[in-house]
Amino acid sequence: QKEVEQDPGPLSVPEGAIVSLNCTYSNSAFQYFMWYRQYSRKGPELLMYTYSSGNKEDGRFTAQVDKSSKYISLFIRDSQPSDSATYLCAITGANSKLTFGKGITLSVRP
Amino acid sequence: NAGVTQTPKFQVLKTGQSMTLQCAQDMNHNSMYWYRQDPGMGLRLIYYSASEGTTDKGEVPNGYNVSRLNKREFSLRLESAAPSQTSVYFCASSERQGLGNTIYFGEGSWLTVV
Repeated sequence: QKEVEQDPGPLSVPEGAIVSLNCTYSNSAFQYFMWYRQYSRKGPELLMYTYSSGNKEDGRFTAQVDKSSKYISLFIRDSQPSDSATYLCAITGANSKLTFGKGITLSVRP
Repeated sequence: NAGVTQTPKFQVLKTGQSMTLQCAQDMNHNSMYWYRQDPGMGLRLIYYSASEGTTDKGEVPNGYNVSRLNKREFSLRLESAAPSQTSVYFCASSERQGLGNTIYFGEGSWLTVV
């Protein structure tokens, strides 16, 4: 089982939709959870991070972590065409090793 | 505010040729990284340097060498390029290696080996 599994996509939604992006992980020692956004032909940039179970909101974005289920999610409310990008989950543990999901490409149709 | 700068952005190499990807960061970060990104494979760590003077292998180091020239610069060398090294390469840096340290990426270098 891979350490981090991410829904493969691609995902296409109409503008204004609520988007749910998900990752599962296998190592209960993972402690720090991040979401990166990568626009076409650009490098990934950090979107959100959290280190505890529960929800963390930042504008239209909510990061959710369920450590008991080893499941993390990124929700995008009122999605916009400018949200069209590849989203990568990234998880790290006490050994400092950062593991990325493979990424899911989101397209928001006007 | 440049962040992480890598050159060249695009390069075509013939099999067997060598080349060096250059990377520099202006954030006074201690740790630097080289990743490659391939369709269906995600981001994979090639080499990293936790601090100036140290380098370590990542997940896919074969066929590559690195040099941490100083605190700012971290280069990646392909000694004898192979078609399997066709990829997008990202340099990245963080304040230090460890839990909770944000990694900042460069814009990427597109390498094609023919």
